[in-house]
Amino acid sequence: ETGVTQTPRHLVMGMTNKKSLKCEQHLGHNAMYWYKQSAKKPLELMFVYNFKEQTENNSVPSRFSPECPNSSHLFLHLHTLQPEDSALYLCASSSHRGGVTGELFFGEGSRLTVL
Amino acid sequence: GQQVMQIPQYQHVQEGEDFTTYCNSSTTLSNIQWYKQRPGGHPVFLIQLVKSGEVKKQKRLTFQFGEAKKNSSLHITATQTTDVGTYFCAGTPNYGQNFVFGPGTRLSVLP
Repeated sequence: ETGVTQTPRHLVMGMTNKKSLKCEQHLGHNAMYWYKQSAKKPLELMFVYNFKEQTENNSVPSRFSPECPNSSHLFLHLHTLQPEDSALYLCASSSHRGGVTGELFFGEGSRLTVL
Repeated sequence: GQQVMQIPQYQHVQEGEDFTTYCNSSTTLSNIQWYKQRPGGHPVFLIQLVKSGEVKKQKRLTFQFGEAKKNSSLHITATQTTDVGTYFCAGTPNYGQNFVFGPGTRLSVLP
């Protein structure tokens, strides 16, 4: 139990489907993140939310749409994905105060396969 | 943009041997963190280094932050099979706030 819960753990979708990944943190953190981890690249930061406000969008294609309704929940809405989007999507949370980011607590990830 | 590099990419050691992974940044870092990811698992925080030349120890693990705050190392003494996994460094550039992860070093320990 990491304090950061991701669902679903595994997802298979076609290129025309619409699905969502969900992340919930029970640590009282104010910052939440989406990372993409694929076999051939380092951990890639996708989106950052701080106190529900999006503070970073790392040039992510619009077929990925984040949503942060409150400081404890984060969603990643997926539509018309490509096979190269298949990867492990990791959610993380941290405290973020005075411009300093604390340690990242990662969820167990959602393994996405796009057919 | 900032780049964080790690070497080696892979390391195979016999149980009981030592292991070191090196992290190098193209820019000065305000701090650096290290994470471990077991096979099939998620990254887990190990430590954060902030000061120039800082050295921290956790049992058999020794972490070092370079004097110029552009490089760091993780050294494991007398590896055990439980040390298997990928070790990532993540640095925060002085001008920014979010961590940039290195590609990781995958450690295999042969019993």
